[in-house]
Amino acid sequence: DGGITQSPKYLFRKEGQNVTLSCEQNLNHDAMYWYRQDPGQGLRLIYYSQIVNDFQKGDIAEGYSVSREKKESFPLTVTSAQKNPTAFYLCASNLNRDDGYTFGSGTRLTVV
Amino acid sequence: DAKTTQPPSMDCAEGRAANLPCNHSTISGNEYVYWYRQIHSQGPQYIIHGLKNNETNEMASLIITEDRKSSTLILPHATLRDTAVYYCIVRVYGNKLVFGAGTILRVKS
Repeated sequence: DGGITQSPKYLFRKEGQNVTLSCEQNLNHDAMYWYRQDPGQGLRLIYYSQIVNDFQKGDIAEGYSVSREKKESFPLTVTSAQKNPTAFYLCASNLNRDDGYTFGSGTRLTVV
Repeated sequence: DAKTTQPPSMDCAEGRAANLPCNHSTISGNEYVYWYRQIHSQGPQYIIHGLKNNETNEMASLIITEDRKSSTLILPHATLRDTAVYYCIVRVYGNKLVFGAGTILRVKS
């Protein structure tokens, strides 16, 4: 079955370390997105990519980086510059601009 | 994209219809109304979307007022598994999805 796979489901990181969250889709979707969700709040857009080798900053890109070397993959790196990285991270994709989004099941990152 | 206003929470009895309202008084002619829901600690799930006509699918119905300033998502026979946060989003095709705080729907037996 097609879908979006995020890994790992839970991730613990020490302060000062970079960490990379994986997002893979086999839906042949062009666009991919990363959102962050804090407890009791809605989702906020970090980065998005409409096409391979191209991506744009969302509303809260500071302290994060992404790459889009393959259509299927859109990894997110949480760098040590991100002041408050503990959150629930969600990856999404869609086929074209008119489609609804398909979301992954999320990665819960905790800084210890 | 226009902003939306939703009640922070609602309760519904199991088996009854759940009617979730959304105000979007500044909506423009080319903006669609989308509904997603998020069950605790999972990714959001697409429910339905529409422009001006009422829409129905296997999950829900979407009723949009004639002036398009508000809409209602209807879950015809709510079950305990429908307990979730429901997001109403107004979006121009091609724009990014912007999520607000949503409505917490609690379905009670």
